[in-house]
Amino acid sequence: DAKTTQPPSMDCAEGRAANLPCNHSTISGNEYVYWYRQIHSQGPQYIIHGLKNNETNEMASLIITEDRKSSTLILPHATLRDTAVYYCIVDGGSQGNLIFGKGTKLSVKP
Amino acid sequence: GAGVSQSPRYKVAKRGQDVALRCDPISGHVSLFWYQQALGQGPEFLTYFQNEAQLDKSGLPSDRFFAERPEGSVSTLKIQRTQQEDSAVYLCASSTRTRKLSDTQYFGPGTRLTVL
Repeated sequence: DAKTTQPPSMDCAEGRAANLPCNHSTISGNEYVYWYRQIHSQGPQYIIHGLKNNETNEMASLIITEDRKSSTLILPHATLRDTAVYYCIVDGGSQGNLIFGKGTKLSVKP
Repeated sequence: GAGVSQSPRYKVAKRGQDVALRCDPISGHVSLFWYQQALGQGPEFLTYFQNEAQLDKSGLPSDRFFAERPEGSVSTLKIQRTQQEDSAVYLCASSTRTRKLSDTQYFGPGTRLTVL
């Protein structure tokens, strides 16, 4: 089973920041936090990952708490195209395969 | 550049038929993964290739499932004697290096299999 807990769904107004939480209270010291998203009828797409420090790229920011038991993915200015299921992942199999949970279905509304 | 492609995008099979699903990974990618995604669920790992070697097939649900990657590039997932419970989206992903979760996986659009 996945080691993460995410809310099943969230809404966000277009143009506002979307803040997606993830709990990973059993994360190990050397495990990274990864975020992927899956837009309807597409395969998952990598967004960002981090270990301890906050990370930012052209898609999003990742804020990890100091105790590393939770994190938040921030989409600073959500658009309708950001409507997707967002997966927070902290573990993988022995071959580097991703272990997905159910994710958060984010709906961005006009 | 070209991403991961999969064909067909949609496949309808009658129960008991054999199907073959194709994956064209990004050129030069060493690692190739197959995942199965049931409706409303996250993808689940099926099998892993490093070049042409199938190093892990622990996720294949039964011996009716078979995967190959003979020349270390294109891969085929074959399902024999399909059953209704095989209905799902089958996703292929590739990455540059080997066995590292930190290597970004690039996914194809998936093949939606419906078994009637």
